[in-house]
Amino acid sequence: SQKIEQNSEALNIQEGKTATLTCNYTNYSPAYLQWYRQDPGRGPVFLLLIRENEKEKRKERLKVTFDTTLKQSLFHITASQPADSATYLCALDEKGGYQKVTFGTGTKLQVIP
Amino acid sequence: DAGITQSPRHKVTETGTPVTLRCHQTENHRYMYWYRQDPGHGLRLIHYSYGVKDTDKGEVSDGYSVSRSKTEDFLLTLESATSSQTSVYFCAISVTRDEQFFGPGTRLTVL
Repeated sequence: SQKIEQNSEALNIQEGKTATLTCNYTNYSPAYLQWYRQDPGRGPVFLLLIRENEKEKRKERLKVTFDTTLKQSLFHITASQPADSATYLCALDEKGGYQKVTFGTGTKLQVIP
Repeated sequence: DAGITQSPRHKVTETGTPVTLRCHQTENHRYMYWYRQDPGHGLRLIHYSYGVKDTDKGEVSDGYSVSRSKTEDFLLTLESATSSQTSVYFCAISVTRDEQFFGPGTRLTVL
């Protein structure tokens, strides 16, 4: 069966360090993978997209990698700040139209001052 | 927020009653989605729409129906609410394949 796995345990890191979140998937062949941020009581907000033919994508302090052989994406936040504390969701597209994606369960990140 | 509103934002209802949640967008985008979010399950797709009167089922559609009579409105109906439908419901739109924009959510409690 198809599965998207994100570390369900919260990730606590010290301010200024690099946070690395993992998204693993099985029985998918995604054309792209998205990362979203979700704050408590609010809807997810899109951050980055990486396509299957891209190894790495950067946006300011964010970096995403995509390894289709390992079936894994890594999401990095460099120089982390307490304001980066949130839940981060990965989502994989479903080939076949309608722009549907399937979401992982998310990883909660806590940046400690 | 891409002009997405959801109503109501909070609702408490009793088992067996019908409930309709509304999603409204101001930008006439074609694709709209209803998700529910529960601890341990993440966001799960209930139904989606790819145009007026064009809808289809998602992963967890049992007990839910939808309607889209206008581009801007996508309605989610629980015909007879059950306690297992207590959840936070999010509406989303897709502008391109690159990203989805989410509404603020509706917190539904079924007693």
